[in-house]
Amino acid sequence: DAGVTQSPTHLIKTRGQHVTLRCSPISGHKSVSWYQQVLGQGPQFIFQYYEKEERGRGNFPDRFSARQFPNYSSELNVNALLLGDSALYLCASSLLTGGEKLFFGSGTQLSVL
Amino acid sequence: SQQGEEDPQALSIQEGENATMNCSYKTSINNLQWYRQNSGRGLVHLILIRSNEREKHSGRLRVTLDTSKKSSSLLITASRAADTASYFCATDVDRGSTLGRLYFGRGTQLTVWP
Repeated sequence: DAGVTQSPTHLIKTRGQHVTLRCSPISGHKSVSWYQQVLGQGPQFIFQYYEKEERGRGNFPDRFSARQFPNYSSELNVNALLLGDSALYLCASSLLTGGEKLFFGSGTQLSVL
Repeated sequence: SQQGEEDPQALSIQEGENATMNCSYKTSINNLQWYRQNSGRGLVHLILIRSNEREKHSGRLRVTLDTSKKSSSLLITASRAADTASYFCATDVDRGSTLGRLYFGRGTQLTVWP
């Protein structure tokens, strides 16, 4: 079975631009979470979606938004990019919501110049 | 911050030795999980221990949890060069508003020399 897939794997943008990152969860998983990992740090929670509804939001500005589609895939959008948005963006899926183990994709490495 | 904090930040050992990493956290938890990450790639789940458990084993991994001290340890026995990676603890905090969110520490970078 395919694991969590993310696209693209690498992305280079300039300040002020917009970016869309995509994630497909493991088949049968209804929950998708997004995390940001800055170099040298642990992942920071951005969003969780379950059954197409937002179930949790971390301490990120409104420039960050996400959605989940009927097939449970998800998009993370970031507007008005800042240099500080440069990071590895990780998507994780799980069967349910609520603190069970997460299955992570390989991430999208975003560089903002 | 409600993050867990791993200790040490870096650990360097020879193959065959045991590696011990510690994690401390600040608030009540439902469970604590350990993940591994190779070279900035995705994280891989290693083991989950619930708040009512004290010790758990999985292959060469042994995890302990002391809720009174708000700490956990991960022991990797008979380390191999392939164990070289960053190891993170993550806590599922016992609070409804944070449902589904895991709090990660900064990680321990383990290097195992052949």
